[in-house]
Amino acid sequence: SQQGEEDPQALSIQEGENATMNCSYKTSINNLQWYRQNSGRGLVHLILIRSNEREKHSGRLRVTLDTSKKSSSLLITASRAADTASYFCATDAGQGGSEKLVFGKGTKLTVNP
Amino acid sequence: KAGVTQTPRYLIKTRGQQVTLSCSPISGHRSVSWYQQTPGQGLQFLFEYFSETQRNKGNFPGRFSGRQFSNSRSEMNVSTLELGDSALYLCASSATDGTGGRYTFGSGTRLTVV
Repeated sequence: SQQGEEDPQALSIQEGENATMNCSYKTSINNLQWYRQNSGRGLVHLILIRSNEREKHSGRLRVTLDTSKKSSSLLITASRAADTASYFCATDAGQGGSEKLVFGKGTKLTVNP
Repeated sequence: KAGVTQTPRYLIKTRGQQVTLSCSPISGHRSVSWYQQTPGQGLQFLFEYFSETQRNKGNFPGRFSGRQFSNSRSEMNVSTLELGDSALYLCASSATDGTGGRYTFGSGTRLTVV
């Protein structure tokens, strides 16, 4: 079953604009991660935020985490056509030493030149 | 550092056949996980191996199995293939031992069952 739910399902913006994607999840987590996928290829890790962190930056990416609301957001600033991809949030809720990511259904981002 | 390597990249099989997919993790990574991606169900966790032991299994029928070798390479097998098994199968490796960390994914194996 899906743990995370991304919102919106699809987003179309112009180059240079900012893109914001939201993710909600259901259970307690160790960390939350964001991945990018281009055209059905493999997933590329973007950023990881731990449950005791509230905000994290990496280049043009900014991720926030609100554990009280069980939600996270990914902001991509000054978007480029190359940012066109599907973005997934994934929660790491592994227990007993095991590792398991539970993914949302993703946001399909289109950045128009 | 070489990435996660999955072979083959594409595969076409007939219903009822079986298939074996291979995954070589990043050198030094001992955790290998498998995921199935379909348009309808999205990304679903199959199983995770660490030091040749299956530590976690997703909600898939027994036709889906896997194993990990002493060099951390992993294989997954699907027997008695069904049309619904058509999917992108992704393997991921991780350097951590259960404390949570980033995963590196391979490019996937696209399986088509006809």
